[in-house]
Amino acid sequence: DIVVTQSPDSLAVSLGERATINCKSSQSVFSSSYNKNYLAWYQQKLGQPPELLIYWASTRESGVPDRFSGSGSGTDFTLTISSLQAEDVAVYYCQQYYSTPPTFGQGTKVEIK
Amino acid sequence: EVQLVESGGGLVQPGGSLRLSCGASGFTFSSYWMHWVRQAPGKGLIWVSRLNNDGSDTSYADSVKGRFTISRDNAKNTLFLQMNSLRAEDTAVYYCARGRGMATILPVWGQGTLVSVSS
Repeated sequence: DIVVTQSPDSLAVSLGERATINCKSSQSVFSSSYNKNYLAWYQQKLGQPPELLIYWASTRESGVPDRFSGSGSGTDFTLTISSLQAEDVAVYYCQQYYSTPPTFGQGTKVEIK
Repeated sequence: EVQLVESGGGLVQPGGSLRLSCGASGFTFSSYWMHWVRQAPGKGLIWVSRLNNDGSDTSYADSVKGRFTISRDNAKNTLFLQMNSLRAEDTAVYYCARGRGMATILPVWGQGTLVSVSS
């Protein structure tokens, strides 16, 4: 199985400041055949199901604010929240879907400083 | 409105069985691959199983293989997860989720149903 590791485990950022979450996979999730990285990001607020933010490493899901962006390729990826808002307090997960079973990172908790 | 609603969770003794259901509405259920993902209390997300759109192809996490069975009734817009030989470590909120194409991209999730395995 591909192991996905996020850093940090938790993050406290002031309102309006940038938040950066890293995600590393134990093997490449890039497909040269399709020229795509099989990596998604989800946001989970307390007591709610996860919500898809980003897929193919950098494609924003419809309706997701543009302050959320994804980048990276191969084994190293980043989710950036450009200007943290109060409603962004949540746990964020990256997930690879390059191979079965799809696997999630352990999660990164984002709080307000 | 696209919606998934899980049901069937509850308290069960170790070794027991439970059948989860996930009712779908607001989209053409028979066109989509469907998944189950679970989350133990205070823990992260774990993919459990997936089923293709016509029910002919399944996949399972190693931790549930041979004990859980995923199925669907496209006429009733319902996804199922039959869980047998339950263990304490199966305790979790179980979410059903709709896939995007054949990739395990999950844009639609239900609210989840809690399964507790305890004596």
